[in-house]
Amino acid sequence: EPEVTQTPSHQVTQMGQEVILRCVPISNHLYFYWYRQILGQKVEFLVSFYNNEISEKSEIFDDQFSVERPDGSNFTLKIRSTKLEDSAMYFCASSPVTSGGAPQYFGPGTRLTVL
Amino acid sequence: QKEVEQNSGPLSVPEGAIASLNCTYSDRGSQSFFWYRQYSGKSPELIMSIYSNGDKEDGRFTAQLNKASQYVSLLIRDSQPSDSATYLCAVKGGNFNKFYFGSGTKLNVKP
Repeated sequence: EPEVTQTPSHQVTQMGQEVILRCVPISNHLYFYWYRQILGQKVEFLVSFYNNEISEKSEIFDDQFSVERPDGSNFTLKIRSTKLEDSAMYFCASSPVTSGGAPQYFGPGTRLTVL
Repeated sequence: QKEVEQNSGPLSVPEGAIASLNCTYSDRGSQSFFWYRQYSGKSPELIMSIYSNGDKEDGRFTAQLNKASQYVSLLIRDSQPSDSATYLCAVKGGNFNKFYFGSGTKLNVKP
């Protein structure tokens, strides 16, 4: 069964450094998402992406964040200058459609630790 | 701010019993509702989606939606210890491609 994959599984970085989290969505899916989950807290929507552009973003997704689909398979989240409070699990998700609210399928996540 | 509220639990049920999980949401324009299961340290795993008022059954799981009351529930019949996890309610916000999650209800199924 097709799955969303994410790399790396764990990323440790120093405060102020740039990180890129990578995702490979399910191949025939068209809608892509990033979420974060701070330890012990709820899953928070960051951004949705369709047709090579951002369709929605949350208040969390400020100028420090960017997303890109550099080729036909990868979907990346870049954090330009990491802060301690960016430490969280980051989940990528994909969906075949969005009309009618088709469900999203989540990848295994990348645990980001900012020191 | 669109909110999705869940009782954090833990909800403890004996093996074989019915577990009932509830969720309320604030955005009356929401059209799509999802239940996910999340084991500790893992990603959310889709259980069910529901879009229309009423019940939807899938195996041991039944989702119930009441848009007038802005209420979604999940029933798990014949609960198993392997069902012990945190159950997340997610709501798609109206016409927007944006999803809101509740904080989750922790379910413990005791053998």
